[in-house]
Amino acid sequence: QVQLVQSGAEVKKPGASVKVSCKASGYTFTSYGISWVRQAPGQGLEWMGWISAYNGNTNYAQKLQGRVTMTTDTSTSTAYMELRSLRSDDTAVYYCARDERYFDWLLNGAFDYWGQGTLVTVSS
Amino acid sequence: DIVMTQTPLSSPVTLGQPASISCRSSQSLVHSDGNTYLSWLQQRPGQPPRLLIYKISNRFSGVPDRFSGSGAGTDFTLKISRVEAEDVGVYYCTQATQFRTFGQGTKVEIK
Repeated sequence: QVQLVQSGAEVKKPGASVKVSCKASGYTFTSYGISWVRQAPGQGLEWMGWISAYNGNTNYAQKLQGRVTMTTDTSTSTAYMELRSLRSDDTAVYYCARDERYFDWLLNGAFDYWGQGTLVTVSS
Repeated sequence: DIVMTQTPLSSPVTLGQPASISCRSSQSLVHSDGNTYLSWLQQRPGQPPRLLIYKISNRFSGVPDRFSGSGAGTDFTLKISRVEAEDVGVYYCTQATQFRTFGQGTKVEIK
């Protein structure tokens, strides 16, 4: 069965960086992409960006451009999301979700499987 | 960016009764390939989101048939024919036609 397993909770100081991992299993990793979505405490879902596990192409939300980098390691079927210059309003649960291989050439156009979430707390 | 607006934001329902959630997009969600990439997610308390419906009306694997989706263009609806206790949670519409965006979420709770 398809599974996305994320790394554990992190506590960071303002200005630091965090790198969250998402290990995929149960499907051919390079046939899909991964989107990262975050959810601040008590708030809704915010799309952060997408990476193709097929060719490494990325597409980031404009508000995070310059602070976020998404990568994949196809040898371990793992996706990574690094967020830099952390602020208190980056405190959130960060999710990875399976997405399409190509950003604009879609089959279902839906986040069909999700990781369990990683809580990132930014506090001095 | 396409803005997704859901109504209502909160929906108290009686067990066994129907529930309906509306989602409106700021522009048409019809993709250049002719498909409409509007989906619905359910997030139970303390859980990650779960896909219910994709491409307006297709139920994802394992989703009960009391969930149904409809709509076209900019207006979409998720219906629960008979609400059960396990349906409590927050429901989000989301689009993939242009980038990816989410609605604000609608909280379904039992009266």
